[in-house]
Amino acid sequence: ETGVTQSPTHLIKTRGQQVTLRCSSQSGHNTVSWYQQALGQGPQFIFQYYREEENGRGNFPPRFSGLQFPNYSSELNVNALELDDSALYLCASSLAGTGGNEQFFGPGTRLTVL
Amino acid sequence: AQRVTQPEKLLSVFKGAPVELKCNYSYSGSPELFWYVQYSRQRLQLLLRHISRESIKGFTADLNKGETSFHLKKPFAQEEDSAMYYCALTHAGNMLTFGGGTRLMVKP
Repeated sequence: ETGVTQSPTHLIKTRGQQVTLRCSSQSGHNTVSWYQQALGQGPQFIFQYYREEENGRGNFPPRFSGLQFPNYSSELNVNALELDDSALYLCASSLAGTGGNEQFFGPGTRLTVL
Repeated sequence: AQRVTQPEKLLSVFKGAPVELKCNYSYSGSPELFWYVQYSRQRLQLLLRHISRESIKGFTADLNKGETSFHLKKPFAQEEDSAMYYCALTHAGNMLTFGGGTRLMVKP
């Protein structure tokens, strides 16, 4: 069984640029959620994808967008980067169903915006 | 809107002492509550969930709907319990709302 993987591990961008982060879900999981974790804070829910459709969204602007592919892997895209977007971005996979199913987290991608 | 509050950023105890990490939540419905843990240089992982009513690594947590709390407890802390602990709730579709986290340090 393969765990959740994310790429890249870290990257540095400048304000106004665009970035794409990638996530491969754990084998057998069909739902992917993305979280933003600023330094010293808990993870904040960005959005969730199920069957290639956005299944829920947190309080993030439209410049945060995503995709899910038929193999359940996912991308997080952020346009017009701002300094406050600097954070650890976590991807988590799970099986669709009622709340209570365990989410399995990846190691994260650390994004620095200069 | 749902909210999870962990009032302590840091909790430091000696090995063998009891531990209680506090978690309070606000949500109008019936949420499901979790504790996630992150050990040094490891990824975030589930420790326990209230619906399972289980003890994991000696930790237990009871959901108190009257006080809207889900405190994490262990009677005798071990050095390997040192980690970052996050309380979280979900109301639908596994979308988690996390608290700010508490760093537990267990001193020898």
